[in-house]
Amino acid sequence: RKEVEQDPGPFNVPEGATVAFNCTYSNSASQSFFWYRQDCRKEPKLLMSVYSSGNEDGRFTAQLNRASQYISLLIRDSKLSDSATYLCVEDSGYALNFGKGTSLLVTP
Amino acid sequence: ETGVTQSPTHLIKTRGQQVTLRCSSQSGHNTVSWYQQALGQGPQFIFQYYREEENGRGNFPPRFSGLQFPNYSSELNVNALELDDSALYLCASGPTYGYTFGSGTRLTVV
Repeated sequence: RKEVEQDPGPFNVPEGATVAFNCTYSNSASQSFFWYRQDCRKEPKLLMSVYSSGNEDGRFTAQLNRASQYISLLIRDSKLSDSATYLCVEDSGYALNFGKGTSLLVTP
Repeated sequence: ETGVTQSPTHLIKTRGQQVTLRCSSQSGHNTVSWYQQALGQGPQFIFQYYREEENGRGNFPPRFSGLQFPNYSSELNVNALELDDSALYLCASGPTYGYTFGSGTRLTVV
């Protein structure tokens, strides 16, 4: 079975901190990857795509390492509003395979 | 705001009953997928429909079935409900940059 593995956390960080999440995947044929954000009892929302060349969007940077089958998400200057669960996602072509999510709590 | 709408938002059913969940996909999206998210887990892929045909299915038993209509709206049907079917059921439409999820139906089986 193809798996996406994440550290569930929780990660508790102070405002302004930098935090990094990691994720591994087992299907070496997968082409597309994403990070989704999910707030408590809400639907997942697309945060960003992940490319081998890296992808930066403001305070967020995502990176894909195909050789190690490893995906990362870096959040700089954490805000209280960043508190959520971050889901690592592999797109198999017709299905999104989600990790269990990493919980982030940003504290004042 | 998401263009994917799901109904109902909450539902309580008794074990053994049948349930139908509905999804209206975002305009222009011809692909709809359904996911089950149990508490503390990531969403699990149930199946996908493309132009009214099922074109992919996850590891769910046949009592989970679906339909997609010509207007690309969709239904998820679950027969013979079990307690473990209690979960958030999410509909996602695409194809697009990632997929857009509806806000889900929270099903409780008692």
